[in-house]
Amino acid sequence: KAGVTQTPRYLIKTRGQQVTLSCSPISGHRSVSWYQQTPGQGLQFLFEYFSETQRNKGNFPGRFSGRQFSNSRSEMNVSTLELGDSALYLCASSLNAGQPNSPLHFGNGTRLTVT
Amino acid sequence: ILNVEQSPQSLHVQEGDSTNFTCSFPSSNFYALHWYRWETAKSPEALFVMTLNGDEKKKGRISATLNTKEGYSYLYIKGSQPEDSATYLCAPTSGATNKLIFGTGTLLAVQP
Repeated sequence: KAGVTQTPRYLIKTRGQQVTLSCSPISGHRSVSWYQQTPGQGLQFLFEYFSETQRNKGNFPGRFSGRQFSNSRSEMNVSTLELGDSALYLCASSLNAGQPNSPLHFGNGTRLTVT
Repeated sequence: ILNVEQSPQSLHVQEGDSTNFTCSFPSSNFYALHWYRWETAKSPEALFVMTLNGDEKKKGRISATLNTKEGYSYLYIKGSQPEDSATYLCAPTSGATNKLIFGTGTLLAVQP
């Protein structure tokens, strides 16, 4: 069974640009969540999607948005990039949302560098 | 849920030593506690998801306990091996959700 796939693995963007990151969950998983990892802040929750609906959103500005498609694949978009958006963005999928028998399965992440 | 604390921040042990870490979290609005292991250059890997007060889970040499009334969980590693070197993260949730609030982790280094 293929794991969670995130593309691209690395991205270099300039301040003010926008970026779209993609996540393909494990087959059959309907829940996808996104996390940002920075050295100073650790892993911080961005969004949670289940069956194409955003169930939760973290404390991030409106420049961060996301969506989930009918095949459970998800994308997140960051507009008007700032230097502080440089981070590792991790996507995780699970069979169900928040159930004890349904831990998160993480992808390898997308490393975004904003210059 | 705010203020998830993990201690120690880092730990250096010798191969064969047993060790344990602590995760503290607010006990109000608790639903579940996740433990993950994150090795360098890999993605976080789930160890346990625990919900019940007094619960104890085991996976090989690693085990975890949960106290929801006082808001803490312990992770134990028996007979540490170099391949156990990783950052160990805990994350509580306050509902049936995948909105996990991660602690800053405990970095374990096991010297051969």
